[in-house]
Amino acid sequence: EVQLLESGGGLVQPGGSLRLSCAASGFTFSNYGMSWVRQAPGKGLEWVSVISGTGGSAYYADSVKGRFTISRDNSKNTVYLQMNSLRAEDTAVYYCAKDGPVGVIVPTRFDPWGQGTLVIVSS
Amino acid sequence: QSALTQPASVSGSLGQSITISCTGTSNDVGAYNYVSWYQQHPGKAPKLMIYDVSNRPSGVSNRFSGSKSGNTASLTISGLQAEDEADYYCSSHTRSTTLLFGGGTELTVL
Repeated sequence: EVQLLESGGGLVQPGGSLRLSCAASGFTFSNYGMSWVRQAPGKGLEWVSVISGTGGSAYYADSVKGRFTISRDNSKNTVYLQMNSLRAEDTAVYYCAKDGPVGVIVPTRFDPWGQGTLVIVSS
Repeated sequence: QSALTQPASVSGSLGQSITISCTGTSNDVGAYNYVSWYQQHPGKAPKLMIYDVSNRPSGVSNRFSGSKSGNTASLTISGLQAEDEADYYCSSHTRSTTLLFGGGTELTVL
């Protein structure tokens, strides 16, 4: 069974930093792209970033470009999201999700999703 | 980039069919067959229901179907059941190698 488990969320002050982790199991991790998607309280879904299976390519939403960095460690089956210069509008539940397989364009489809980790940016 | 356009809410009676539209542009929905649909119940993570416009993942009921014409994709749910009541989101890959979601549609089963 494919499982994704996010961690690292919490309360952080504006301008601060946080690193999210997502531990994966149940599939050949390096064969798949991985994405982060966020959902502000009471709002819709917003795609944040994707990294290819090899880690050689990464793409970002304009809203986080230059502030967030996605990375992965295929030896640990883990994907990370380093979030710097955090703003109040970054407050959201952050989900990691398994994206398309190597050789297929990403980001395309997310299946499954983790349970999410809540990030609150507030003073 | 703006979100894809979905109706804020739709409703249907038990057993009936409903369709949710998702309108984008020639840079996203119209450019690729990489449209997906997600179901989200309150307090839960989203679940993939349709991918690549019309494909169902294993385990998803065949009451769910997807299609696309030009810049507009559609999700149809037939034989509405109470457990279908949820929020539904479409998404599309874009020419900028990003992904856009729709604003979400709240489905009410009467």
